[in-house]
Amino acid sequence: NAGVTQTPKFRILKIGQSMTLQCTQDMNHNYMYWYRQDPGMGLKLIYYSVGAGITDKGEVPNGYNVSRSTTEDFPLRLELAAPSQTSVYFCASSYSNRAYEQYFGPGTRLTVT
Amino acid sequence: AQSVTQPDIHITVSEGASLELRCNYSYGATPYLFWYVQSPGQGLQLLLKYFSGDTLVQGIKGFEAEFKRSQSSFNLRKPSVHWSDAAEYFCAVGANTGNQFYFGTGTSLTVIP
Repeated sequence: NAGVTQTPKFRILKIGQSMTLQCTQDMNHNYMYWYRQDPGMGLKLIYYSVGAGITDKGEVPNGYNVSRSTTEDFPLRLELAAPSQTSVYFCASSYSNRAYEQYFGPGTRLTVT
Repeated sequence: AQSVTQPDIHITVSEGASLELRCNYSYGATPYLFWYVQSPGQGLQLLLKYFSGDTLVQGIKGFEAEFKRSQSSFNLRKPSVHWSDAAEYFCAVGANTGNQFYFGTGTSLTVIP
C-alpha cells in the first residue's frame, strides 16, 4: 500500500513551458486535492475532485487545470508556467468530505525561471 | 468565510518542556478541526481531529488538543517535548460549503537539547 504518490519530486521549468504533475492514490479514495505551499503562507487549495469525472476549483485555481478520469489518478496541468507558480505542490486524498482525514503525498518542488 | 489563524510563526522549547501551539478559527457552524505535522521535506501527517463530543481529543505521538467554542480555539499541547517533535505544525478546518479545507500558515517548532 503506497498511499499517495507524486512525480516528479523536483522540476525546473522555464517561463512559458508546460508540464503535468502526476498524483496517484491506491486507497480507493473518492476525494482528491491539489495544494500549493509557499513559505509563510500555509497550504492553499488549487483544485479538488469528489470522484472520477468531477472536479472543482479551490482558492487559487488560475494558471492550472486538472482532470480525473479514474479514481486513482488526479494530474495537475500547468499550461504556461510563470515565476509565481514556483512552489511546493502537494496532492492529497480522503475517503469522503471535510470530515475525513486527508492523506498527503511527499510533494513536488517546482521552480519556474 | 472560513479562516484559520496560527499566531505563532516560530516557537522554541527545550526538550522535556511542555508545549502549546495556538490555533484560532473563524467558522459559522460546527467546525471539523485538524492538526497536521510536517517534517522537513515530507508531506503532512494527521496528528488528531475533532468533530464533536469530548472537547479534549488525543492524538498520535502524545499530542492532545482542546476545542473551546467560546474562544474559537483548538490549541495543540504536549506535556513533554522530544527532539523528534521538531517540525512544522498546521491547524486546519473543514469548510461547511463545498469540500474544501482551510489551513493555517503553520508554526515551526524548534527543540533545543
